[in-house]
Amino acid sequence: EIVLTQSPGTLSLSPGERATLSCRASDSVTRNFLSWFQQKPGQAPRVLIYAASNRATGVPDRFSGSGSGTDFTLTINRLEPEDFAVYYCLQSGASPWTFGQGTKVEV
Amino acid sequence: QVQLVQSGAERRKPGSSVTVSCKGSGYTFSAHYIHWVRQAPGQGLEWMGFIYPNTDGTGFSQKFQGRLTLTADTSINTAYMELANLTTDDTATYFCTRLSRVPFDFWGQGSLVTVSS
Repeated sequence: EIVLTQSPGTLSLSPGERATLSCRASDSVTRNFLSWFQQKPGQAPRVLIYAASNRATGVPDRFSGSGSGTDFTLTINRLEPEDFAVYYCLQSGASPWTFGQGTKVEV
Repeated sequence: QVQLVQSGAERRKPGSSVTVSCKGSGYTFSAHYIHWVRQAPGQGLEWMGFIYPNTDGTGFSQKFQGRLTLTADTSINTAYMELANLTTDDTATYFCTRLSRVPFDFWGQGSLVTVSS
């Protein structure tokens, strides 16, 4: 099983700042099938990035993903108030699919 | 528009089973995998398994092998998740989600399952 470790656990920032979230895999993620999700309290997750660097439909361009192999990054430029949430990475390259434990971006 | 609508909250006793349904609309239900993900209160997301409605092919996390049954009825565009031999650790919100070119692009609203004696 591929273990995804996200860091930091919590990121304390202000609106307008840049957020850099890390997701490290215990083994190489096949075909870079690494996605990022945003979840707000009481809501289902929302996909932001898939295949490491592709933005999903409707996702603002301040969200970007990068990385390959075992190291992946989600960057949020110029944080907006609605961006404060929990972010998860998911690898879908090998079964079982696995999520990281999450990074909370807070004010 | 694509929608996944899940059944309501359930309360069960330890040792019993629960079934959650997930009805798809706005797309060709049989052509897309349905995955199930759960989230214990205040915790992260946990992948459980999937079903491909077109063939009834399934895959599961080893953690749930033997306790988890995934089925689908394409005549009514509905997928089902049955979890047996429940313990208090199974208290969680259970989500269904669709796999397309974009993984997990649409999600159900979640179904809270509470296991308590």
